[in-house]
Amino acid sequence: DAGITQSPRYKITETGRQVTLMCHQTWSHSYMFWYRQDLGHGLRLIYYSAAADITDKGEVPDGYVVSRSKTENFPLTLESATRSQTSVYFCASSGTGDSNQPQHFGDGTRLSIL
Amino acid sequence: AQSVTQPDIHITVSEGASLELRCNYSYGATPYLFWYVQSPGQGLQLLLKYFSGDTLVQGIKGFEAEFKRSQSSFNLRKPSVHWSDAAEYFCAVAANSGYSTLTFGKGTMLLVSP
Repeated sequence: DAGITQSPRYKITETGRQVTLMCHQTWSHSYMFWYRQDLGHGLRLIYYSAAADITDKGEVPDGYVVSRSKTENFPLTLESATRSQTSVYFCASSGTGDSNQPQHFGDGTRLSIL
Repeated sequence: AQSVTQPDIHITVSEGASLELRCNYSYGATPYLFWYVQSPGQGLQLLLKYFSGDTLVQGIKGFEAEFKRSQSSFNLRKPSVHWSDAAEYFCAVAANSGYSTLTFGKGTMLLVSP
C-alpha cells in the first residue's frame, strides 16, 4: 500500500548507543522531514530533506544525523543516544517545495533511552 | 520567523455540543495555515488548510476554520462533537514565500464527555 512507514514502532536502548530510525515513503515525494514530539513542546523539526543528497537542519538538530541516498528513504540516526532524546519521532513527506503543500505523517516511533 | 500559539492545553466538551479550538499566529504577512489532528498512537492527519480567498475553510470530518487577519487567528470549529473527535489538535503555520517549513503549535487535547 502507498504511504509512509516508520520502523521500528517502539525502541528501547541505553545511553551512548547508536540507534537508527527508518522512514520509507512510496509516493516519490521530494520533501521529507523528521520531527520529535514532547509534552509541552508540540512537534519540533529536527532535519528535513528537499531531495536525495540534500538535507538541512531544523529547529533541534543537535545529536542527530540524517542521510538521504534514495528519494524514498530518510533514516534518522542518534549517534550516541542521551536520555534527553527519549521522545516520539515522526517522519513526514510532502510532494513539492511549495509551503502550501500539506505534509503526510507516519505513525511514529516511540524511543526510550535508559 | 513565524510562530503559533494554542492557548488551551486541554478542552472538555460534551458530546453533541459545539467546539472551538483557538489558534493565533505571528507572521508579517498572510501565512499558510493548517489544522492537523492526532489520534492516540498515530501520526498527524490534515483536517484543513488555508492559503487565500474565502476566509471560511471547510475540512474533513465536519470541521471548519475561519481565518481572521485582524486578530491573527485561525480557529477551528465543529457544530456538534462526536466521541470519536477526542484527540489532540495542532495548528501549524508556514510562510507564504518560497519554501518554508511548518511551525506547529503545542497542541490542544480535546476530551469528549458523555
